[in-house]
Amino acid sequence: KNQVEQSPQSLIILEGKNCTLQCNYTVSPFSNLRWYKQDTGRGPVSLTIMTFSENTKSNGRYTATLDADTKQSSLHITASQLSDSASYICVVSEGDYKLSFGAGTTVTVRA
Amino acid sequence: DTAVSQTPKYLVTQMGNDKSIKCEQNLGHDTMYWYKQDSKKFLKIMFSYNNKELIINETVPNRFSPKSPDKAHLNLHINSLELGDSAVYFCASSPIVGLSYEQYFGPGTRLTVT
Repeated sequence: KNQVEQSPQSLIILEGKNCTLQCNYTVSPFSNLRWYKQDTGRGPVSLTIMTFSENTKSNGRYTATLDADTKQSSLHITASQLSDSASYICVVSEGDYKLSFGAGTTVTVRA
Repeated sequence: DTAVSQTPKYLVTQMGNDKSIKCEQNLGHDTMYWYKQDSKKFLKIMFSYNNKELIINETVPNRFSPKSPDKAHLNLHINSLELGDSAVYFCASSPIVGLSYEQYFGPGTRLTVT
């Protein structure tokens, strides 16, 4: 069983609407959690990085939350744009030498 | 200016061949990585080099051999290619050794083995 589970697997939203992606993890001990955006045919690009002590971090219209007690994170996209269509990957690091990747959530924004 | 670049972007080859993928970063980072992304989109780390020295070597067949001529380059050579090697390979770099630091990814190389 993967140590990082993301949901939903995919979603479709209308331009201008908000959406929330979920990430549950079992990795322990925990160093940090990152959300990456991966456009089709491109490499992942970091959106946010959160350590144990942080419970929210924003990057423009992207806001990530972290509950280290329940081992859950969410990524909220506000006022979605067509350019938000991408795969969003949750990544949890366990110390300096182990990374666990989620399978990603594919977001499609339609006009 | 591309921060992390890979060549080629696409590579189609037959089983049994040997091929190389090149990666260069102009960010001045000390650490570079190779990842494999399979058809299910899972990213898996393969190797990590810090200042030309191998520091992470996941369970990867020894047909895969990374080579780092200097800290700005990390190339991946694959011998005797198999169908299961078909995937997208990403190079990445980070300023400091350690997977807990932010990484910058290249655009990927899509390898198709026929």
